[in-house]
Amino acid sequence: DAKTTQPTSMDCAEGRAANLPCNHSTISGNEYVYWYRQIHSQGPQYIIHGLKNNETNEMASLIITEDRKSSTLILPHATLRDTAVYYCIVRDGNKAAGNKLTFGGGTRVLVKP
Amino acid sequence: EAGVVQSPRYKIIEKKQPVAFWCNPISGHNTLYWYRQNLGQGPELLIRYENEEAVDDSQLPKDRFSAERLKGVDSTLKIQPAELGDSAVYLCASSLGRTGGNTDTQYFGPGTRLTVL
Repeated sequence: DAKTTQPTSMDCAEGRAANLPCNHSTISGNEYVYWYRQIHSQGPQYIIHGLKNNETNEMASLIITEDRKSSTLILPHATLRDTAVYYCIVRDGNKAAGNKLTFGGGTRVLVKP
Repeated sequence: EAGVVQSPRYKIIEKKQPVAFWCNPISGHNTLYWYRQNLGQGPELLIRYENEEAVDDSQLPKDRFSAERLKGVDSTLKIQPAELGDSAVYLCASSLGRTGGNTDTQYFGPGTRLTVL
């Protein structure tokens, strides 16, 4: 699976949009971009995933660049409960790859009042 | 709908003692995963089950770790004997499996925090 690079940490203001970047310059054509977050003392929580097109759900939006070498997770109106470690993961969509998620260090996001 | 259930949530044992963790996946999910998460790091896969078959256990330390999923539903992960370095959070996840398509999303339980003294 392609490696991802994320900032170690970032702060954002409550009520404002939080934009979390992720670089995955070695991504291949059948690899999906997944985002999970982990709130303190909880298991990772699925947020969103995408292949080529931008995606939006009730939690967030995922913007993938045209060359697919980077992406941005957008939390439209950050709340204090969004404070967590956010993981960007590139996963091989080929079933033979076994659906393996390889977690990196993630971005520690602190939402401040 | 209930999520992935794990028990216990916390376990403190002395080194050389055995310990077991239990996981009940989301109903209808055929694939079950066990991960280990060391402090300050992301989770790492230990073993993956497709129904009752362990299809990827390459990262499971087989000298002291074992796992089973006898009826293809809930699963148990065991450590015997535990060592100080086994202190970590043990996470269980599940996914639909073969019917999940190319994007077979994994859903995680709350984890079991193990402390070995």
